Amino acid sequence: AQTVTQSQPEMSVQEAETVTLSCTYDTSESDYYLFWYKQPPSRQMILVIRQEAYKQQNATENRFSVNFQKAAKSFSLKISDSQLGDAAMYFCAYRSDFHNAGNMLTFGGGTRLMVKP
Amino acid sequence: NAGVMQNPRHLVRRRGQEARLRCSPMKGHSHVYWYRQLPEEGLKFMVYLQKENIIDESGMPKERFSAEFPKEGPSILRIQQVVRGDSAAYFCASSPLGTDHEQYFGPGTRLTVT
Repeated sequence: AQTVTQSQPEMSVQEAETVTLSCTYDTSESDYYLFWYKQPPSRQMILVIRQEAYKQQNATENRFSVNFQKAAKSFSLKISDSQLGDAAMYFCAYRSDFHNAGNMLTFGGGTRLMVKP
Repeated sequence: NAGVMQNPRHLVRRRGQEARLRCSPMKGHSHVYWYRQLPEEGLKFMVYLQKENIIDESGMPKERFSAEFPKEGPSILRIQQVVRGDSAAYFCASSPLGTDHEQYFGPGTRLTVT
């Protein structure tokens, strides 16, 4: 079974600075997807960014980018120019691309990001 | 295009009562997933359904929990004889056909068992 680990329960960053959230995962599969979700106090789960394992290029969405290290099974999220609205829980998630594996997401335990003005 | 709808947003039940949580997927989505989030934890997969069919229920507790997604109407997650440990946020997500799609989450239902 796949597992996802987020080793930082809490992180803080100064507004306008850059912060990196860590995520590692364990899998024996070669084809899969990785995601970062944001959960603000409203509890709504918002997709921030996704990465296909077969792609070597790191995904980027505006101020959000990832550092995907497939061999190390590492998938960190970098937030540049942090804004107050970035304060939230961030969850890393894994989904298998194996045909019979189902489509469920496996989530890490989350990292609470605080942004200081 | 309306997003995934869940109701109620908050539900309070006494121990031993039944809880029914409803999820309407996004228009055009025929795959529904239920996840549970205990306080201060990540989401845990419960069940994956397509219309009139349970595809994967490997995350569902063996007793008291059931789910359905009828041909017409919302998906229902049903918890019978609730206990305090069932208190959690329950999220529904939906996706269109195929495997290469993100799951779009609803706002969740927060269940409190007193």
